[in-house]
Amino acid sequence: SAVISQKPSRDICQRGTSLTIQCQVDSQVTMMFWYRQQPGQSLTLIATANQGSEATYESGFVIDKFPISRPNLTFSTLTVSNMSPEDSSIYLCSVEDGPGQQYFGPGTRLTVT
Amino acid sequence: EDKVVQSPLSLVVHEGDTVTLNCSYEVTNFRSLLWYKQEKKAPTFLFMLTSSGIEKKSGRLSSILDKKELFSILNITATQTGDSAVYLCAVLGGSNYKLTFGKGTLLTVNP
Repeated sequence: SAVISQKPSRDICQRGTSLTIQCQVDSQVTMMFWYRQQPGQSLTLIATANQGSEATYESGFVIDKFPISRPNLTFSTLTVSNMSPEDSSIYLCSVEDGPGQQYFGPGTRLTVT
Repeated sequence: EDKVVQSPLSLVVHEGDTVTLNCSYEVTNFRSLLWYKQEKKAPTFLFMLTSSGIEKKSGRLSSILDKKELFSILNITATQTGDSAVYLCAVLGGSNYKLTFGKGTLLTVNP
């Protein structure tokens, strides 16, 4: 399966600032996904990022708040903009490696104070 | 709205016990059901099931899908403390071919 890395592993940020999370894959993949897991909750899909096109956002998530870049087939970034304490979560990227099989990166634990 | 429900939400057992975790779903355009183990941050892939009645097995873990009754079970035999984790069930489908996750089952295995 694909090997996925994420940076940073964790961060503590102040309210009102922005953080960009990077996701790197060791092989070329068509579809990359960004998820959020709020404390005590399950994973929620934020958006799907395909190379060469705009990301597709799920209901409740907007591009202004969570801009995504996908410059090539092995890399993507998610920015959490104008952060508030409610954005404190684990952010995970995943890739589809084989039909229907998604593998996850190690995650970024974000705390907003 | 697509829905995945896992039960129980938490479970405490002793080493050596056998556990069964449940996952039921209501998802349009079902493609597959996946099980993950989440210990810290990253869910690690366990199984993907697409066909009814065919058991997937890996060591002490096994899983089976019933597409008629819309559920799956994950069995862990001879549990070990290292099995302590949140087990997530997710179903791929819906109108936009996405994964819908259940809330997970927190399994604690005591020595």
